[in-house]
Amino acid sequence: DAGITQSPRHKVTETGTPVTLRCHQTENHRYMYWYRQDPGHGLRLIHYSYGVKDTDKGEVSDGYSVSRSKTEDFLLTLESATSSQTSVYFCAISESTGADEKLFFGSGTQLSVL
Amino acid sequence: EDKVVQSPLSLVVHEGDTVTLNCSYEVTNFRSLLWYKQEKKAPTFLFMLTSSGIEKKSGRLSSILDKKELSSILNITATQTGDSAIYLCAVEAGGAQKLVFGQGTRLTINP
Repeated sequence: DAGITQSPRHKVTETGTPVTLRCHQTENHRYMYWYRQDPGHGLRLIHYSYGVKDTDKGEVSDGYSVSRSKTEDFLLTLESATSSQTSVYFCAISESTGADEKLFFGSGTQLSVL
Repeated sequence: EDKVVQSPLSLVVHEGDTVTLNCSYEVTNFRSLLWYKQEKKAPTFLFMLTSSGIEKKSGRLSSILDKKELSSILNITATQTGDSAIYLCAVEAGGAQKLVFGQGTRLTINP
C-alpha cells in the first residue's frame, strides 16, 4: 500500500457541515493527490501537492480545499458538504522506480452526505 | 480538455476466454499511459507505457501502446475468476504525474 493511510475509512455527515479527510504517508514522497471516484466518471483529480505548503487545483476542485503543513500529511476539507460530494475519495502518492514514476493509492474513504 | 475513453464499459466472459480491453485518449503533452486493476478497494498498478509498439507483460496480462492511434490495449489470456475487477486506464498529461482516468471497464469472469 506504499505506506498510505487514509482516515476515516467511512464517514456519514449532513449537508452543510464541514468535513476533513486525512491522508498520511510514511515514505517521504513529495507528490500527493486527492481523487474522487464516482460511477460513470472514473477517478477525477481534486487537488494535488508538490511539497509542504505547495498545492494546486485539479479538474474538480470547486467546494474543496487542501492543506499540507508537513510532508507526511495531506488534508482534504469540504467547507460545507453537499450531497453531490457523496463519493469515494482516494489519496495517492507518486513513487519513482528508476526512470518511471507511478501513482499508488490509499484504500479510500467512503463519504456520504445526507 | 484532456479525455480518456475506455471500451467496452462492461464485459462478461467465461473462465479461460481471452479478453481485450481498449483505451483511447486525447490529451495535450502526453507523457505516459497507465493501467490499473481495481477490485474492492484501491486501484493497483499494472503497467506503465511510454513508448509506442513495445509490449509489456506480466503473467497472463499484456499491454501495448499505439501513439499514432492514440490508444492502448490490455490483453488477458486464459482468464480466471480472480481477474474479475474494474480495469482503469489513465494518461499522464501536463506533468506533476497528474492522471486523467477513463471510466473503467468492469470485467466479470464466470466459472
